[in-house]
Amino acid sequence: DMKVTQMPRYLIKRMGENVLLECGQDMSHETMYWYRQDPGLGLQLIYISYDVDSNSEGDIPKGYRVSRKKREHFSLILDSAKTNQTSVYFCASSLSTNNQAPLFGEGTRLSVL
Amino acid sequence: AQKVTQTQTSISVMEKTTVTMDCVYETQDSSYFLFWYKQTASGEIVFLIRQDSYKKENATVGHYSLNFQKPKSSIGLIITATQIEDSAVYFCAMRDPASSGSWQLIFGSGTQLTVMP
Repeated sequence: DMKVTQMPRYLIKRMGENVLLECGQDMSHETMYWYRQDPGLGLQLIYISYDVDSNSEGDIPKGYRVSRKKREHFSLILDSAKTNQTSVYFCASSLSTNNQAPLFGEGTRLSVL
Repeated sequence: AQKVTQTQTSISVMEKTTVTMDCVYETQDSSYFLFWYKQTASGEIVFLIRQDSYKKENATVGHYSLNFQKPKSSIGLIITATQIEDSAVYFCAMRDPASSGSWQLIFGSGTQLTVMP
């Protein structure tokens, strides 16, 4: 069954703590994405990865970094989380062809207190 | 710069009627790809339908269809015979590989659809 899996689903952290969000897929998709979703703003791209160790910034990369050491796994890291990083984070993946619609994970709801 | 705009914040319709949700986009290129997604109340984001810009025929999948007007940079989503379970937020998205040089997907802000019994 084709699926993008995100862990954890819910996370509460204190300001200044480090945060690791994980995403996995079993479809051998080359391209993976991290988005954040805030009310009224739709989905904003944080980072895009074209394959292992081939990552590019999206529209809002500040305060985030990513790691992709295996094709099936893509991590989002917040070093010293800030309260304005409270959001819902979505991971997605797709084949590397232009007309492929990315498949989304279920999201991770992060609260930074 | 690429941009996707959904001006309808929310729409309410009666069950079994037809609804159209609007989306306009900005791009400098002639070849691009347009997508519609649905986000359910649980937060799940589901791909619905796609339109390739070089295709003149409007895409149709089940009770979803598109009204693609390339000269107006417009891609409307039409849902016929709406059902209660169609209630969700609908997002329009564009991929413009020539401009962005990537497979980046740009999203609109979404339209909340409520289908009433």
